[in-house]
Amino acid sequence: GAGVSQSPSNKVTEKGKDVELRCDPISGHTALYWYRQSLGQGLEFLIYFQGNSAPDKSGLPSDRFSAERTGGSVSTLTIQRTQQEDSAVYLCASSLAWLAGEETQYFGPGTRLLVL
Amino acid sequence: TQLLEQSPQFLSIQEGENLTVYCNSSSVFSSLQWYRQEPGEGPVLLVTVVTGGEVKKLKRLTFQFGDARKDSSLHITAAQPGDTGLYLCAGALRGAQKLVFGQGTRLTINP
Repeated sequence: GAGVSQSPSNKVTEKGKDVELRCDPISGHTALYWYRQSLGQGLEFLIYFQGNSAPDKSGLPSDRFSAERTGGSVSTLTIQRTQQEDSAVYLCASSLAWLAGEETQYFGPGTRLLVL
Repeated sequence: TQLLEQSPQFLSIQEGENLTVYCNSSSVFSSLQWYRQEPGEGPVLLVTVVTGGEVKKLKRLTFQFGDARKDSSLHITAAQPGDTGLYLCAGALRGAQKLVFGQGTRLTINP
């Protein structure tokens, strides 16, 4: 069956440019999460969507980062005026719902972002 | 400051040996999950523990949730080269709709 897909798989950009990362969750999953992972480290929570609304944006590192979700499905994470410290793997995950963390989160393969 | 401290961060052992990975915090979690991640892929859930003192087994892997729900361990018996990967623990804080991840343990099993 179809899992979580992300595009592009790799993105190289120049400092100062804007980038848009896309996530297609598993069909029917109402919860969607964005994480950032630096060089084989743990995951840093960025934002969580329940349906189209984002009850928790606390992890977004700065106002250069924004995310939206439309139709309860596809989500895009936008980074404006990229900086070299934004270089990381951006992972998206989806789950049926949020149930005190007991629901399985299914992760996509990630987008590897390199800011030169 | 890392909310979930995972140790060791790197571990390289020989095939057939046993190992334990620890995940510790001063915070109480409503549940805790363990993931395994291969290079170029997203993490894959191994287990979820929700009750203090709970022990779950997955073949040669044994997971334990501390009685106070602040810590967890992953024990692998007779490690195999196929166990190589990045192991991540992640906890759900009560009232917060997100997972907090540890730094990960990069495990290498040498044939």
